[in-house]
Amino acid sequence: DTEVTQTPKHLVMGMTNKKSLKCEQHMGHRAMYWYKQKAKKPPELMFVYSYEKLSINESVPSRFSPECPNSSLLNLHLHALQPEDSALYLCASSQITVGELFFGSGTQLSVL
Amino acid sequence: GEDVEQSLFLSVREGDSSVINCTYTDSSSTYLYWYKQEPGAGLQLLTYIFSNMDMKQDQRLTVLLNKKDKHLSLRIADTQTGDSAIYFCAESGAAGNKLTFGGGTRVLVKP
Repeated sequence: DTEVTQTPKHLVMGMTNKKSLKCEQHMGHRAMYWYKQKAKKPPELMFVYSYEKLSINESVPSRFSPECPNSSLLNLHLHALQPEDSALYLCASSQITVGELFFGSGTQLSVL
Repeated sequence: GEDVEQSLFLSVREGDSSVINCTYTDSSSTYLYWYKQEPGAGLQLLTYIFSNMDMKQDQRLTVLLNKKDKHLSLRIADTQTGDSAIYFCAESGAAGNKLTFGGGTRVLVKP
């Protein structure tokens, strides 16, 4: 299994809603990532987890809250988002010492 | 900080070779990558090259790395219509897994 699975594929939420994005991998990777991609732009790193601990937070606003419950799962909790947060949110995983990142197909998020 | 640049657009005829170019600034990068993204989809890793190599070939794909000039290229032989997509190069930085992406090159393959 070389897949990174993300759910849901699409999400529409209001600015007062709370929602969560989910990501799962069964490749035994110990590093997991959240990236944000706006239309026609490259992905931008948000968070990195190494061995289930947050190792990099790229100055992301607190309305985005990541969580890594175990080595296979990564969540991104969303609260009080703004319309400019609408984007494709991509999860990725890799082995710690080898930088080959495998990406999921993403969650297309629209904030109304 | 790190910077990765690519040309915006490439048009190529089916059956011809495509060459996508990329320049980067971080000389400490351990790995350099090429990813493909089709509309509405995530990123698919095509190939990567370790920074101490200068060439890597994988079926129709050839990666060339000029470390002195910090220039990376991806050649796709016998380009097919299914190769139409956005291609991103990325460098890993010294840590090896914190990727910085270029802006992407949109490749259009014409029949």
